[in-house]
Amino acid sequence: DAGVIQSPRHEVTEMGQEVTLRCKPISGHDYLFWYRQTMMRGLELLIYFNNNVPIDDSGMPEDRFSAKMPNASFSTLKIQPSEPRDSAVYFCASSFKGGGYTFGSGTRLTVV
Amino acid sequence: AQSVTQLGSHVSVSEGALVLLRCNYSSSVPPYLFWYVQYPNQGLQLLLKYTTGATLVKGINGFEAEFKKSETSFHLTKPSAHMSDAAEYFCAVSDKFSGNEKLTFGTGTRLTIIP
Repeated sequence: DAGVIQSPRHEVTEMGQEVTLRCKPISGHDYLFWYRQTMMRGLELLIYFNNNVPIDDSGMPEDRFSAKMPNASFSTLKIQPSEPRDSAVYFCASSFKGGGYTFGSGTRLTVV
Repeated sequence: AQSVTQLGSHVSVSEGALVLLRCNYSSSVPPYLFWYVQYPNQGLQLLLKYTTGATLVKGINGFEAEFKKSETSFHLTKPSAHMSDAAEYFCAVSDKFSGNEKLTFGTGTRLTIIP
């Protein structure tokens, strides 16, 4: 199993640009989570899906953030327009119930 | 609502010494409990988990944790620290009865190993 795959690993973009982060969960996992990690705030849950349906998006900072999961093998997190304060490491994780999360390696986003 | 408290944001131990990282949870029902490790520039990796059954749980890399309901604790230990154990460690809890899979993470403990 290749694990949770995130792309890109690093993204540098200019303020105002659209950014799309991608995630491929582990086959058979029916939960998918998007987290953001910063020094100041630690790990923050942004949104999670169960069977491709968004369950809780209360952690999404504002309307500039959106997430989709069109099928069981793919999810995206989009930021439009991006701002410098969005700079962080974004993690995707997947799980089955009671199994514990498997995290991807993360996308380090820098908005300049 | 459930939560976890990790006592000590930074812990330093000498190589070969006992590692003890503390985690206390707050939950109205016995939860699922997890420990994760994060090495620099990597994602979080599951060390071990407690769901039901035996309260002493063994994980990877020689770590173990004991679920103590009376103390609402799930402390992580390793008898002898190795330089490669230097990382950040996160305790997490989920509610087994809620029907969802959402984990609540602690704020993390950075472990430093002194040569």
